[in-house]
Amino acid sequence: QKEVEQDPGPLSVPEGAIVSLNCTYSNSAFQYFMWYRQYSRKGPELLMYTYSSGNKEDGRFTAQVDKSSKYISLFIRDSQPSDSATYLCAMSPGNNRKLIWGLGTSLAVNP
Amino acid sequence: GAGVSQSPRYKVAKRGQDVALRCDPISGHVSLFWYQQALGQGPEFLTYFQNEAQLDKSGLPSDRFFAERPEGSVSTLKIQRTQQEDSAVYLCASSLDATTGELFFGEGSRLTVL
Repeated sequence: QKEVEQDPGPLSVPEGAIVSLNCTYSNSAFQYFMWYRQYSRKGPELLMYTYSSGNKEDGRFTAQVDKSSKYISLFIRDSQPSDSATYLCAMSPGNNRKLIWGLGTSLAVNP
Repeated sequence: GAGVSQSPRYKVAKRGQDVALRCDPISGHVSLFWYQQALGQGPEFLTYFQNEAQLDKSGLPSDRFFAERPEGSVSTLKIQRTQQEDSAVYLCASSLDATTGELFFGEGSRLTVL
């Protein structure tokens, strides 16, 4: 079993939909949780960065961390075709030196 | 430049060849990371530098892989006697902060070993 599990999808939604992306993990030592977006043939770019449990909102994006369930989520409101990409969760125990990544979920937002 | 620059973007090597992949981090960034991303997978940690010191190389898959950052800026990842399983995208990332700073990734070097 991998330390971080993420459904690879693909996920296809109409423009304007609310998208929910999730990861589960097994290592209770993880404290830092990140969501990255990766366009085809590009490097990952950081979307959201959360420490420990709770919610964090940034524009159309909301990240949630539930450490008791070892479950993290990313919600995208009013999804746009430009949101079409692969979304990767990543986490680490104490710092960003050695991130553990999910497989990534491929998202397509259709106009 | 403004971002992390990697070269070459694409490399095709015959099995057994040596390859060298270069990373130019963002100027002034202390930390530099190499990750390997196989097709359809998330990145896997290879190694980490703080300035010129290689503090963690636990992710390097074999002794055929070697990384250096001699002057604390540009880094080179070298793979000797390439094998087909080495085919992947090699991502370089840099960070201003040594611990919790945001990682900025380059576009990667896509290696195909025939």
